[in-house]
Amino acid sequence: GQNIDQPTEMTATEGAIVQINCTYQTSGFNGLFWYQQHAGEAPTFLSYNVLDGLEEKGRFSSFLSRSKGYSYLLLKELQMKDSASYLCAVKDSNYQLIWGAGTKLIIKP
Amino acid sequence: DAMVIQNPRYQVTQFGKPVTLSCSQTLNHNVMYWYQQKSSQAPKLLFHYYDKDFNNEADTPDNFQSRRPNTSFCFLDIRSPGLGDAAMYLCATSMVAGVGTDTQYFGPGTRLTVL
Repeated sequence: GQNIDQPTEMTATEGAIVQINCTYQTSGFNGLFWYQQHAGEAPTFLSYNVLDGLEEKGRFSSFLSRSKGYSYLLLKELQMKDSASYLCAVKDSNYQLIWGAGTKLIIKP
Repeated sequence: DAMVIQNPRYQVTQFGKPVTLSCSQTLNHNVMYWYQQKSSQAPKLLFHYYDKDFNNEADTPDNFQSRRPNTSFCFLDIRSPGLGDAAMYLCATSMVAGVGTDTQYFGPGTRLTVL
């Protein structure tokens, strides 16, 4: 079967750095996406990785290792508005998106 | 601004009473998707359309149907809602299918409550 694993919940402090991990086992790989989802709202696109390495976009960076089936989302200089769920999703060999259940990130002052 | 719009944002229905959720898009995307998402769970794909080609996921219950009368609009019909159908229903669009970089963009969702 296909599987995406993420921690259920993480807590971090305002101004700090947090790393949210995602591991995947899928039939094929055509890219990995990170989405942010605030409570009661729709997911919004954050990043896309298809090659190994780090992609940086402002305060957010995403890393991919295809050989390890592993990605992480790195959030720097945390702000209260970053409190949200972060969903990892992988496109399989049929270009279907396989979704993780998301990591709920709680930011404390 | 180009966007994905869903109406209504909140829908309350009675057990067994049919309900229709709507989605429209101004992004001119070819592909439209319907997802069901329950609290703290991954979005579950129900249907997707590539243009007017309809694709039903194997485990989507028969109680759910969809229509796409034109490229801008898509509807989700729930024929006889049960308590287990209470969820957030998300509509998404993407430019093309079968491309790794193709990104899905979501509407704000419709939260369905079944009494």
